[in-house]
Amino acid sequence: NAGVTQTPKFRILKIGQSMTLQCTQDMNHNYMYWYRQDPGMGLKLIYYSVGAGITDKGEVPNGYNVSRSTTEDFPLRLELAAPSQTSVYFCASSYSPGSNTGELFFGEGSRLTVL
Amino acid sequence: AQTVTQSQPEMSVQEAETVTLSCTYDTSESDYYLFWYKQPPSRQMILVIRQEAYKQQNATENRFSVNFQKAAKSFSLKISDSQLGDAAMYFCAYRRGTNAGKSTFGDGTTLTVKP
Repeated sequence: NAGVTQTPKFRILKIGQSMTLQCTQDMNHNYMYWYRQDPGMGLKLIYYSVGAGITDKGEVPNGYNVSRSTTEDFPLRLELAAPSQTSVYFCASSYSPGSNTGELFFGEGSRLTVL
Repeated sequence: AQTVTQSQPEMSVQEAETVTLSCTYDTSESDYYLFWYKQPPSRQMILVIRQEAYKQQNATENRFSVNFQKAAKSFSLKISDSQLGDAAMYFCAYRRGTNAGKSTFGDGTTLTVKP
């Protein structure tokens, strides 16, 4: 069982470039999330989705965009990369919070550097 | 908005000893869940333990247990018989029972285990 798979694991971008972080899960979870983790800090929510076709902004959405065309996939798009977007990005998925397995399942993270 | 505070940026413990990591949170909601996640140097976020707010009994998972004080909004993690493999960053997280189950994370506590 693969769980949550993120690609790429590492990427270096130049200022102004764009890229997409891919995320896919095979657990049939309705809820999916994108977080960023800055050095020495906790996770900040960028965008989230409660099902295919439904997305919404989190705490720090500026400079990002998402789509959710299927239950499995939740890509994160970075437009016009800026040094402030240098971070580690985590995709996560889950069942509803009240279920027995209501915890978040995380991908391995993607380290992005913008120079 | 919900906030999660981990007041100990770093902690250390001798192998086989017991250590307690602190976490406080602020919320006006009644439907929520609390989690401790472990992040080793590999970056993979791993669930340690989960607590439902409506349950008075403290959760336990082998060597890991929590002290959940709902009125005080406190959720500490106790690690007994510490092992070298417990060395990691630990994050306390609050997850809403409604509103897309969004989670708020503390800034983490880095635990060092001394042999």
